[in-house]
Amino acid sequence: AQSVAQPEDQVNVAEGNPLTVKCTYSVSGNPYLFWYVQYPNRGLQFLLKYITGDNLVKGSYGFEAEFNKSQTSFHLKKPSALVSDSALYFCAVRDILRGYQKVTFGTGTKLQVIP
Amino acid sequence: ETGVTQSPTHLIKTRGQQVTLRCSSQSGHNTVSWYQQALGQGPQFIFQYYREEENGRGNFPPRFSGLQFPNYSSELNVNALELDDSALYLCASSSDRGFSPLHFGNGTRLTVT
Repeated sequence: AQSVAQPEDQVNVAEGNPLTVKCTYSVSGNPYLFWYVQYPNRGLQFLLKYITGDNLVKGSYGFEAEFNKSQTSFHLKKPSALVSDSALYFCAVRDILRGYQKVTFGTGTKLQVIP
Repeated sequence: ETGVTQSPTHLIKTRGQQVTLRCSSQSGHNTVSWYQQALGQGPQFIFQYYREEENGRGNFPPRFSGLQFPNYSSELNVNALELDDSALYLCASSSDRGFSPLHFGNGTRLTVT
């Protein structure tokens, strides 16, 4: 079964500093990876995805993610954090072994950007 | 472009009752998935509908069922509610079964007492 792991329940970063939210994955075959963000009492919003190609993927709101096949990681990054980035972040992997799109999410990492 | 809308936003039910949650998919999207998000957890896949048929299911019992209508809107039905069914239920639509991202509604918060 495909899975993702987010080792940090919470990440604290000062406003203006770079941020990293970690994710590792376990898949059979090619990984199809996603990052989503969830604000309080809201659904999830798509940030970016890795399907194939460049290992550095750029997404919405200045976020990017680095795909590392040897370390089976897909860390989310941003050069300069904003207070408005404070939210819950989910890494996810799409199941490609079946004829439908089952997306498996990690447990989430709460990002707190401190003014 | 109209996004994914879910109703109701909040619901309180008693153990043993039945509930129906509704979802209107984003325009142009023909695939709808339902997820259960327990407090402090990531969303868990319940099932997916494509062209009015269920074509994938997660580890949920048969008392979780659904429908998709010709306009691609969808319902999630849960029978014989249990306390552990209390969660945020998220509907997500996508344009196909390929690599397009999921577009989520804001969810229905179900509380079972």
